[in-house]
Amino acid sequence: DAKTTQPNSMESNEEEPVHLPCNHSTISGTDYIHWYRQLPSQGPEYVIHGLTSNVNNRMASLAIAEDRKSSTLILHRATLRDAAVYYCILATGNQFYFGTGTSLTVIP
Amino acid sequence: DVKVTQSSRYLVKRTGEKVFLECVQDMDHENMFWYRQDPGLGLRLIYFSYDVKMKEKGDIPEGYSVSREKKERFSLILESASTNQTSMYLCASSRGVMIATNEKLFFGSGTQLSVL
Repeated sequence: DAKTTQPNSMESNEEEPVHLPCNHSTISGTDYIHWYRQLPSQGPEYVIHGLTSNVNNRMASLAIAEDRKSSTLILHRATLRDAAVYYCILATGNQFYFGTGTSLTVIP
Repeated sequence: DVKVTQSSRYLVKRTGEKVFLECVQDMDHENMFWYRQDPGLGLRLIYFSYDVKMKEKGDIPEGYSVSREKKERFSLILESASTNQTSMYLCASSRGVMIATNEKLFFGSGTQLSVL
């Protein structure tokens, strides 16, 4: 069973904010939420991660619901270089469980 | 920055061949992972290792084995390649004692293996 659920695809206009949702209803207290993205012909690259509190870094922000059963990756101003597949991952025990990802299209 | 290098970008093999996929990381990371990536299925963990000579099965270990003789190198072995092992194979590493789930994963660029 999938541990994370994401929409298959989303579109955004360039320079607008993007909110990428993820559901992880089976999350337990010590599980971390990670986000990675994968550009064409490359391996996934780290974007952000968190446990309970919202997190910000130079790439994005991570908003975690109070019950931790869902989270949202926020790209504040989408650029064409942000077009990629975004994976929401539940890091639990000693494994990282990848979902099937959201393919983000950025429209010029 | 951490560099994770996979020896081949593309590989074509025949059914029944023994296949070695090599992965090397240059940041002295304790943990290394092998994933396969298939359309519609995302990334699935095959094996991981948290120390030299240590290995643990992931979700889909059948048909694969691994070797970690040195800290920086983690090899994936297909004992007898089959067509259903045609896939993109991704190696990753992370630091920390055991598998710390608050540590970042660093990925290689992947090896696209085709088994004919």
